[in-house]
Amino acid sequence: EIVLTQSPDFQSVTPKEKVNITCRASQSIGSSLHWYQQKPDQSPRLLIKYASQSISGVPSRFSGSGSGTDFTLTINSLEAEDAATYYCQQSSSWYSFGQGTKLEIK
Amino acid sequence: EVQLVESGGGLVQPGRSLRLSCTASGFIFDDYAMNWVRQAPGKGLEWVGFIRSKAYGETIDYAASVKGRFTISRDDSKNIAYLQMNSLKTEDTAVYYCTRISTPHTDFDFWGQGTLVTVSS
Repeated sequence: EIVLTQSPDFQSVTPKEKVNITCRASQSIGSSLHWYQQKPDQSPRLLIKYASQSISGVPSRFSGSGSGTDFTLTINSLEAEDAATYYCQQSSSWYSFGQGTKLEIK
Repeated sequence: EVQLVESGGGLVQPGRSLRLSCTASGFIFDDYAMNWVRQAPGKGLEWVGFIRSKAYGETIDYAASVKGRFTISRDDSKNIAYLQMNSLKTEDTAVYYCTRISTPHTDFDFWGQGTLVTVSS
């Protein structure tokens, strides 16, 4: 089983800040890493696929990078509506999720 | 517009069974693998299992935590995916989400609103 570990677990940030959330895989997964956003009381939403590919309808301030075992979700110029929990997910060997990173906007 | 609507959740006693349904619309259901993900109250996301499309033999894979107790199936004539849950445990209490898996079986590109299953005596 591939284990994904996100950091940090929680982050409190101010609007317009740049945020980086990292996801580390327990073994190499190539680019088979995807990011989701879950706002309170909502279903998750796909943000980035294959580590860095953008998704139609997702604001351009969201971007992803990385390959192998280390990946990063970057949010440029954070907005209040970005308050949510973010999850990474791998599809290299079946499926698994990271534990989530909760983003609070000050 | 792609829509996934889960139904069938509710309160059930430990050891009993429950069947969830996921009704899909807005895309060619036959062409896609369908998937179940759950989220215990206040916790993160956990993959449950998925069923491939007919083109891939409708084969199924499960997470170790549910293998042998849960069964996923699909009815392409009705655009419905099912999750049959047997021998339920209190730790199966969660919101269960149905998702579509984008081709070829990588990311979960559309999610339903979820249905809550509570296992309690």
